[in-house]
Formats: sequence, structure tokens, C-alpha cells
Amino acid sequence: DTEVTQTPKHLVMGMTNKKSLKCEQHMGHRAMYWYKQKAKKPPELMFVYSYEKLSINESVPSRFSPECPNSSLLNLHLHALQPEDSALYLCASSQPRTGVENIQYFGAGTRLSVL
Amino acid sequence: AQSVSQHNHHVILSEAASLELGCNYSYGGTVNLFWYVQYPGQHLQLLLKYFSGDPLVKGIKGFEAEFIKSKFSFNLRKPSVQWSDTAEYFCAVSPYGQNFVFGPGTRLSVLP
Repeated sequence: DTEVTQTPKHLVMGMTNKKSLKCEQHMGHRAMYWYKQKAKKPPELMFVYSYEKLSINESVPSRFSPECPNSSLLNLHLHALQPEDSALYLCASSQPRTGVENIQYFGAGTRLSVL
Repeated sequence: AQSVSQHNHHVILSEAASLELGCNYSYGGTVNLFWYVQYPGQHLQLLLKYFSGDPLVKGIKGFEAEFIKSKFSFNLRKPSVQWSDTAEYFCAVSPYGQNFVFGPGTRLSVLP
């Protein structure tokens, strides 16, 4: 099973709303990632969790707040977003060890629209 | 800084034509190399990968790629494309198991 599951598939929210994106994997991976992808652009790394600890934060605004409650789950909490935050948000997972063959498996994404 | 470039922004081919998409990277050390495909409205799927060994790697759906270390390149090829190959193709580089750096993507349109 190489599946990464993301919910919801689509989300529309106002600029004052609070919502959360969820990601789940059962491959035993200990690294999980959030990416943001705008239309016709490559994924941009936002956050990396390694062994449930935040290891990389690519200067993402504080209105995005990641959380890794356990090794299978990754959340992205959203608050006071801007219209320019509308994008496809992708979750991925992999084994976190450097120096070894490492493949990232991606979920289908949550398409977020901020009104 | 590490970077990945893809030669073409948009490629348009007729069915049965041969395909080659270019990818170059700037990292000087050992790297893992990947091609991902994103079909319209779908998620990123791994097409093929190179870690070590034979520099010519075969992936799914008839795709292959060649790693040329001296040129820092990892070009994707397919001898005969189909309409169903219409998608966005992303080259990605992972400096020996570290985080991925994606190229800007190449949009492939195959005309029936």
C-alpha cells in the first residue's frame, strides 16, 4: 500500500475562517511533508516533519500551522488566510534517513479556495 | 543554491511521435533523481527513479530516462507517445536522501 490520503479534497473558506487539512499514511514512513502548488507550477515545500518533530519550516507565514499528532497523521491548520493562499496543498511521506534511497509518495491534494 | 531546470515549458506532439524532455540540475554531490507525472486533476505519480547503477532506467508506461553525470542531466524519453500521456511532467532531485527540489515542470500536450 503506497497510499497517502488527504481530506478534504476541496475546501472553500473565507478570510476569517479557521479550517484544517488532514493527511494520513500507513506505510510506516517517519517523514511527512506539506507542499503548496499553484496552477502550472511545481510543488513548493512548506514544512517537513521527521519523527514527529518539525525539522523544516520554509519561512511559511504563521497563518499556516502544521501539526503531527503521531507518525501516521499530519495536519495543517489554517487561519486568516488570504486569497493568494488559494492553491493545491499536497502532503507527502517518505523514510527520513539521509544517505539512502528515498522516495516521496504524494497524496491527491486538497484544493483550497480562499474568498 | 541547488536548482533544477527543465528545458521546455510546453511541448506539443502528435500521437506516435517520440518524446524527450530535458532536465538539468546544479547539485555537485551524489543525488537521487526522479520524474513525476501529474495528469490533469490528479496527484503526482512517480514515473521512474535513479539511485545508482545502470544510468538508463525504465519506468512505468513505457518511459525511460538516462542519467548523464558529466552533464548533470536526467532526460526523460518515450519512443511513441499516446494521447493519454498528456500531463505535466516534473523532474526532481534529492541530494542523497535529503529533501526534494522540483523543476518548474513541462506541460506535454499530445494531439490525437
